[in-house]
Amino acid sequence: GDSVTQMEGPVTLSEEAFLTINCTYTATGYPSLFWYVQYPGEGLQLLLKATKADDKGSNKGFEATYRKETTSFHLEKGSVQVSDSAVYFCALSNAGGTSYGKLTFGQGTILTVHP
Amino acid sequence: EAQVTQNPRYLITVTGKKLTVTCSQNMNHEYMSWYRQDPGLGLRQIYYSMNVEVTDKGDVPEGYKVSRKEKRNFPLILESPSPNQTSLYFCASSPSGRSEAFFGQGTRLTVV
Repeated sequence: GDSVTQMEGPVTLSEEAFLTINCTYTATGYPSLFWYVQYPGEGLQLLLKATKADDKGSNKGFEATYRKETTSFHLEKGSVQVSDSAVYFCALSNAGGTSYGKLTFGQGTILTVHP
Repeated sequence: EAQVTQNPRYLITVTGKKLTVTCSQNMNHEYMSWYRQDPGLGLRQIYYSMNVEVTDKGDVPEGYKVSRKEKRNFPLILESPSPNQTSLYFCASSPSGRSEAFFGQGTRLTVV
């Protein structure tokens, strides 16, 4: 079945540092890929998405490119802020068969940014 | 405001005492689902519904029931909760099965 693997956390950075959170996936067909963010005590919010190969999703300074050849969707930000501290989830949605509508999530990566 | 509303946000209960977690969305979405979040495991789908009266099992359905009598509501029912159902639960909705999902605030359930 489909699966998503994220880099192990937690990740601790200083403000203005560069961020990369690795995400790779296994899926048949052509899944859509997402990054969700969960701030403390809140639900998940969509951060960005990409629906086909070579698409780049971007939002709030975060970017991720759908790389089918390496089955990856790594999250990057050039300069993190304290307010970016949260849990980040990589996920995929595969519309085929019994997977219709199901989001398959990675295990989540805790990011802490210090001033 | 477009939103998914879950209640309650926090619940402590005893083993075997039936409970219901409600979920309501105001976006007229067809697709709704329930997930549980456990440390190191990410989120796993419990049940989903593609429309009114259409529900099906996700990856971890044991011990749970759902119903979809109206488009906006999708309650999660635990007939006889057990301690291994202690978890953080999220309801989600989306316009279709191919779209991104909108999540509720979560319900933290503790079964003692």
